[in-house]
Amino acid sequence: AQSVAQPEDQVNVAEGNPLTVKCTYSVSGNPYLFWYVQYPNRGLQFLLKYITGDNLVKGSYGFEAEFNKSQTSFHLKKPSALVSDSALYFCAVRDEVSGGYNKLIFGAGTRLAVHP
Amino acid sequence: DAGVIQSPRHEVTEMGQEVTLRCKPISGHNSLFWYRQTMMRGLELLIYFNNNVPIDDSGMPEDRFSAKMPNASFSTLKIQPSEPRDSAVYFCASSDRVRSPLHFGNGTRLTVT
Repeated sequence: AQSVAQPEDQVNVAEGNPLTVKCTYSVSGNPYLFWYVQYPNRGLQFLLKYITGDNLVKGSYGFEAEFNKSQTSFHLKKPSALVSDSALYFCAVRDEVSGGYNKLIFGAGTRLAVHP
Repeated sequence: DAGVIQSPRHEVTEMGQEVTLRCKPISGHNSLFWYRQTMMRGLELLIYFNNNVPIDDSGMPEDRFSAKMPNASFSTLKIQPSEPRDSAVYFCASSDRVRSPLHFGNGTRLTVT
């Protein structure tokens, strides 16, 4: 069965330092992968996706993610963190058995705290 | 575009009462999803529709929960009767194509006392 794992409940980083939020996945076919961000009292906002093509995907707010097929990972990265990046981050994979529908399986989320 | 619109933003009700949550998807989107978010279980998919037809309701926790989508611009999630364990944030999301991201509303925070 498809699954997504975010091994870290929380990531702490100093402002200006690079950040990485980890995600690993398990699918039987080709993965469709997504990252979302959630700010307090708001819905999830789309950051970026990987469908096919270049393994390095660039998204909103300066974030990027690297798809690694051999390690089944899709880590979220940013070269220089901002305090305003502090939020809850979710990795998601499209459920292959949903047929032609866009059903996503979400990870448990990682809370990113950027300290001044 | 106004995005996905959910109402109410907050709902406080007593155990046993009926609760109805509402969602207006983005115009032109043909898939609609209802999620529930809690600290204990994270994000859970409850049900989703495609072209107003329910496709998979296996995530609906009990018969107390029901969802409808009478037309392309409106969906409801109803809980009857409500229980304290239903307290959560309920999100509605929509999308227009298989490879497109989901667009989420800001959610309804439900508190059942």
